[in-house]
Amino acid sequence: EIVMTQSPATLSVSPGERATLSCRASQSVSSNLAWYQQKPGQAPRLLIYGASTRATGIPARFSGSGSGTEFTLTISSLQSEDFAVYYCQQYNNWWLTFGGGTKVEIK
Amino acid sequence: EVQLVESGGGLVKPGGSLRLSCAASGFTFSNAWMSWVRQAPGKGLEWVGRIKSKTDGGTTDYAAPVKGRFTISRDDSKNTLYLQMNSLKTEDTAVYYCTTEASVAGTFAWFDPWGQGTLVTVSS
Repeated sequence: EIVMTQSPATLSVSPGERATLSCRASQSVSSNLAWYQQKPGQAPRLLIYGASTRATGIPARFSGSGSGTEFTLTISSLQSEDFAVYYCQQYNNWWLTFGGGTKVEIK
Repeated sequence: EVQLVESGGGLVKPGGSLRLSCAASGFTFSNAWMSWVRQAPGKGLEWVGRIKSKTDGGTTDYAAPVKGRFTISRDDSKNTLYLQMNSLKTEDTAVYYCTTEASVAGTFAWFDPWGQGTLVTVSS
């Protein structure tokens, strides 16, 4: 099992500011990493796949980077609708695993 | 419009069984790899297992916590995915999501789209 670790657990950011979320894999997952956004009471929504490719309809303020074991999701200028929980997920191994999530809250 | 709609959740006693269904529409279900992902109350996401398309063998994979207790199946004629859950434990309490694994050429992949989820509560 590949263990995915996200940090920080909670990130307090003011609207308009930049948010940087981290995800670390216990072994290399190449670029086989996705990011999701989840709001309360809703299903997760795909944001990024292939570590850096935005999914259809995802605004350009969301960007992903990294490869191997270290990955970053950056939200360049937080909008009110971006306050949510974000999860990373690796798909390099048959046993798909998620990080524990980062909650982005209003400062 | 691509749509996944889960049903079958509810309250069940420890040791009991439950079968979830997921009705798919808006895409070629028979070509899709399908997965179940669950989320315990207030917790993160946990992959439960997958079933590949028949053209890719139709085989199943399960996460260790559910292997031997849960069974995933599909009926391509009905565009429906199933999750048979036996020997349920209190720690299986979660919202269960049906989702499509965007596999290309037989590779593992990300999930898109997702259903709205169905709540399973295991309690005496």
